[in-house]
Amino acid sequence: NAGVTQTPKFRILKIGQSMTLQCTQDMNHNYMYWYRQDPGMGLKLIYYSVGAGITDKGEVPNGYNVSRSTTEDFPLRLELAAPSQTSVYFCASSTHYAGELFFGEGSRLTVL
Amino acid sequence: AQTVTQSQPEMSVQEAETVTLSCTYDTSESDYYLFWYKQPPSRQMILVIRQEAYKQQNATENRFSVNFQKAAKSFSLKISDSQLGDAAMYFCAYRSASVRNTGTASKLTFGTGTRLQVTL
Repeated sequence: NAGVTQTPKFRILKIGQSMTLQCTQDMNHNYMYWYRQDPGMGLKLIYYSVGAGITDKGEVPNGYNVSRSTTEDFPLRLELAAPSQTSVYFCASSTHYAGELFFGEGSRLTVL
Repeated sequence: AQTVTQSQPEMSVQEAETVTLSCTYDTSESDYYLFWYKQPPSRQMILVIRQEAYKQQNATENRFSVNFQKAAKSFSLKISDSQLGDAAMYFCAYRSASVRNTGTASKLTFGTGTRLQVTL
């Protein structure tokens, strides 16, 4: 019963470092998403994918990159980390464009 | 673009009582979905209830029900017989169901959330 798995759960980065947040789902969902949640705010969409090999920008894509080489995996890459990227990141997936989103447990990233 | 507004940053309810969380949204579309998600301290986002805009009947899930007013663009969540485990952040969310935009229709737009406290 894994669902959506995100790693790592916590990470501290120095300004300018790079890292990848991993996301894997075992439900064979075509749609996958990356959201960020800033303190006291709702979730904002960073990138999404409607299937392997297809990705598109969301509301706040600057400073991030994604790839979708398989149905299961949707990693989020942070290049040249900045303090503004301090946030909690959520990966999610769904069966189709109107389906329920299943969320991972979140990854708390701090950039110092 | 769609927007979702939750005007109550915090609410408090006594155990066993009923509380209503407010949500309004703005859209020019006629076909969409609305959701309430619960986020406990563990951070996991959990779907509480879902409403299809084409359905006039309000959705219910056990102690959770909604008051969906399409013309007023209002979607409130009622929690009956509140329990300590209901304490969490609650987010209202909107999702387009437009078939013409299947590439973009899958995105959820969230409100800023309401923190619900449950007291003894």
